[in-house]
Amino acid sequence: GENVEQHPSTLSVQEGDSAVIKCTYSDSASNYFPWYKQELGKRPQLIIDIRSNVGEKKDQRIAVTLNKTAKHFSLHITETQPEDSAVYFCAAQRGGGNKLTFGTGTQLKVEL
Amino acid sequence: DTGVSQDPRHKITKRGQNVTFRCDPISEHNRLYWYRQTLGQGPEFLTYFQNEAQLEKSRLLSDRFSAERPKGSFSTLEIQRTEQGDSAMYLCASSVRTGEAFFGQGTRLTVV
Repeated sequence: GENVEQHPSTLSVQEGDSAVIKCTYSDSASNYFPWYKQELGKRPQLIIDIRSNVGEKKDQRIAVTLNKTAKHFSLHITETQPEDSAVYFCAAQRGGGNKLTFGTGTQLKVEL
Repeated sequence: DTGVSQDPRHKITKRGQNVTFRCDPISEHNRLYWYRQTLGQGPEFLTYFQNEAQLEKSRLLSDRFSAERPKGSFSTLEIQRTEQGDSAMYLCASSVRTGEAFFGQGTRLTVV
């Protein structure tokens, strides 16, 4: 089955700096890669996603890149703000509507 | 509220008791998923439905766990003879076949 590894487990940055979180996956048939943000005590919420026919996607301060050959994808957050502090999860999915396999999460802390 | 709703939000039960959780998905979503999340980990897949059909169950799902979605709308997850290791957050999510998975707030189960 699919295995998703995520690094780092914790990340501390200064406000205004960039943050990068990296994930690798094992199943070459996976074709959908979402990123979820989960604040303490709240539900995971999708912040950006990418499909395997695209190499990069950007939404304001957030971007995701995908390298299918190397089977890794990354989340980039620029100009970080305190409200970006949360746990971020990457995930991989094989086929439309199937289960998501999640990474172990990255605790991002944006310090003033 | 048109999001995914779960009931109850919290459940404390004694070891050996049975518990049942309910999930109401977004109304037009035909896919419904159950995940389990423990502290510091990403959501772990348990099972999912397309309409009323249960399409996949995780090998991690023991015989004590059963899920139903009798009319293709809401779903229930029952845990029989609860054990302390069952303590976790149980998350429900729903989606259309190729769309984003929306998560509910979860049911936090504590087995004492």
